[in-house]
Amino acid sequence: AQKVTQAQTEISVVEKEDVTLDCVYETRDTTYYLFWYKQPPSGELVFLIRRNSFDEQNEISGRYSWNFQKSTSSFNFTITASQVVDSAVYFCALSEVNNDMRFGAGTRLTVKP
Amino acid sequence: GAVVSQHPSRVICKSGTSVKIECRSLDFQATTMFWYRQFPKQSLMLMATSNEGSKATYEQGVEKDKFLINHASLTLSTLTVTSAHPEDSSFYICSASSPGQRSPNEQYFGPGTRLTVT
Repeated sequence: AQKVTQAQTEISVVEKEDVTLDCVYETRDTTYYLFWYKQPPSGELVFLIRRNSFDEQNEISGRYSWNFQKSTSSFNFTITASQVVDSAVYFCALSEVNNDMRFGAGTRLTVKP
Repeated sequence: GAVVSQHPSRVICKSGTSVKIECRSLDFQATTMFWYRQFPKQSLMLMATSNEGSKATYEQGVEKDKFLINHASLTLSTLTVTSAHPEDSSFYICSASSPGQRSPNEQYFGPGTRLTVT
C-alpha cells in the first residue's frame, strides 16, 4: 500500500529564512504522481505542484522549489525567503494508477515576522 | 477551470439527525468523486470513492450505512451522514476528477464542509 511520511510535524521560522519541508513516500507502482498542497486556516486546499514518477527534474516557481529524488523516494519542498503569508499546513500526497490519493500527516509551518 | 463547490460550508446539527453535503463540479464532468474526512490537526483521510452511476467504494473502517454516498450525475455527488453523533464532527472535503482533464490523477478539491454535531 502506498504511504507518505512527513516527519516534521511543526516548523517555526522567522521571516526571510529558507525552510525545507520533507516528504518521503513508499509505493510499489512504477507510475505514480506526487503532489504538494497548502492548507491555510480557512481549510481549503491549495494545489502547489504535481510531479509524475518519470519526471525527476527539479522545479522552481517563484520562491518555491521542489526536489524529487527517486533514489531516496523523497519529494522535498523548499520555500526561499519565507513570508508570514506562507504560514499554513503543507501536505505531501501520493497517487497511484488507481487514482486514490494518500496524504502525509502534514507539516504546520509558522513564519514569524 | 476545474472548480469544485461544496454546500453547505458549515452545518450544525443535533445528535441523531441526518445531514447532507453536496459536492458539485462546476465547469467539468466528474466521472469520479472522492470524499475525505479531516479531524482537527490531522491529515485528510479518504472515506470513499464514487464513480458516476455506480455504488461507492468505501475505505476500510468507514461505515457505508452511516455515510451514504450518491453520485447520480457527472456534476454532483452527495454525502449523507445518517444518525450523526458528536464524534462525526469533522471537516469533510470532496474532490473530483475526470479522464478528460489535462493532468492524469489530478483531483480538484472543494472548499470543505465543517460539520458540528451537538
